[in-house]
Amino acid sequence: RKEVEQDPGPFNVPEGATVAFNCTYSNSASQSFFWYRQDCRKEPKLLMSVYSSGNEDGRFTAQLNRASQYISLLIRDSKLSDSATYLCVVTQAGTALIFGKGTTLSVSS
Amino acid sequence: GAGVSQSPSNKVTEKGKDVELRCDPISGHTALYWYRQSLGQGLEFLIYFQGNSAPDKSGLPSDRFSAERTGGSVSTLTIQRTQQEDSAVYLCASSLWGTGMGYNEQFFGPGTRLTVL
Repeated sequence: RKEVEQDPGPFNVPEGATVAFNCTYSNSASQSFFWYRQDCRKEPKLLMSVYSSGNEDGRFTAQLNRASQYISLLIRDSKLSDSATYLCVVTQAGTALIFGKGTTLSVSS
Repeated sequence: GAGVSQSPSNKVTEKGKDVELRCDPISGHTALYWYRQSLGQGLEFLIYFQGNSAPDKSGLPSDRFSAERTGGSVSTLTIQRTQQEDSAVYLCASSLWGTGMGYNEQFFGPGTRLTVL
């Protein structure tokens, strides 16, 4: 079983739509959680950290459920510029980041 | 300020040749990571340097892969006797401190696209 699993998509949505991505992780010792964004043929960039209490950054909301080992990302009012691959990332103390394969989002006008 | 830089941006080599990939981390960052991303795959951890500690080499796929970090700054990833399955984008990242010390954003370089013919 992969350490971090994501639905690869693609998710094809119209502008203005709300879209949700899910991610599960297998190692209960995981301590930190992130969503990264990767544009085509570019390097990944941090989108937001994920906390158990849930956190919001503008149109983006991230949620962590430690009991279920489940992470989510909600994007409201999708923009064309949101089209990218979204990478679910976990880490444990003293280790490097563990990436999911990513979920591809395509927002169309 | 300057971000993470990597060179070369593209490298085409013949099977069996050795290659060296370079990473210049953000100044002052103590932690440096190498990953690779094969077509359609997620990022795969290769090796992690933290300060003067022994590197975490647990992700290196074979003994043909090695890396060093000189003076706590620049790092070189070396692949000996390259194989076609080594073709991938090799990404370097740096962070202010290591992963054992709380929130810790990793900043990625643009990567080196390696093609082994």
